[in-house]
Amino acid sequence: NAGVTQTPKFQVLKTGQSMTLQCAQDMNHNSMYWYRQDPGMGLRLIYYSASEGTTDKGEVPNGYNVSRLNKREFSLRLESAAPSQTSVYFCASSENAETQYFGPGTRLLVL
Amino acid sequence: QKEVEQNSGPLSVPEGAIASLNCTYSDRGSQSFFWYRQYSGKSPELIMFIYSNGDKEDGRFTAQLNKASQYVSLLIRDSQPSDSATYLCAVNRGAGAGNTGKLIFGQGTTLQVKP
Repeated sequence: NAGVTQTPKFQVLKTGQSMTLQCAQDMNHNSMYWYRQDPGMGLRLIYYSASEGTTDKGEVPNGYNVSRLNKREFSLRLESAAPSQTSVYFCASSENAETQYFGPGTRLLVL
Repeated sequence: QKEVEQNSGPLSVPEGAIASLNCTYSDRGSQSFFWYRQYSGKSPELIMFIYSNGDKEDGRFTAQLNKASQYVSLLIRDSQPSDSATYLCAVNRGAGAGNTGKLIFGQGTTLQVKP
């Protein structure tokens, strides 16, 4: 039982490049979330998926897209990376839209 | 005004003391409240959640909620050096069928427990 897994762990991009962050959970949770964490800013919600087949915007969705591929997987895509998207990205999942369990994070640097 | 506010610290306490971490929130309709611990370079992990006014105890941790004053606190008794971490307060405004689990996080308080 791995919980929530994220790939890659680290990534360096050049401005304008695209990439997809992958997240998977093996807890059969309905809800999944993407956050970014910047120094002194806490965690900010980018997108979430309350259930398979649905997605919705969080606090800071601009510059991102998401796909809920199936119940297990929820990916985050940066179409044209910008230096302002340098951050640590966390995926989380929840069974009951309450307690959330976090993955190990992806550290992204955009040059 | 931020929706969820915490003093960023650092809060420094000696080993064995009680650490008191505070959090205020602006939305009176908030329904549930969470404390997460985050070690440096790691992901947040849930310590406690609380829904009702009053105290909730779990081992050395006590969460306190006062909805009238819109604050939630976390007390750590017999603090240990291993408790040194950043503590994140999170608030869920949703409830019932409309609950999507969208959490609003504070910026976190850094706790240092000195041996």
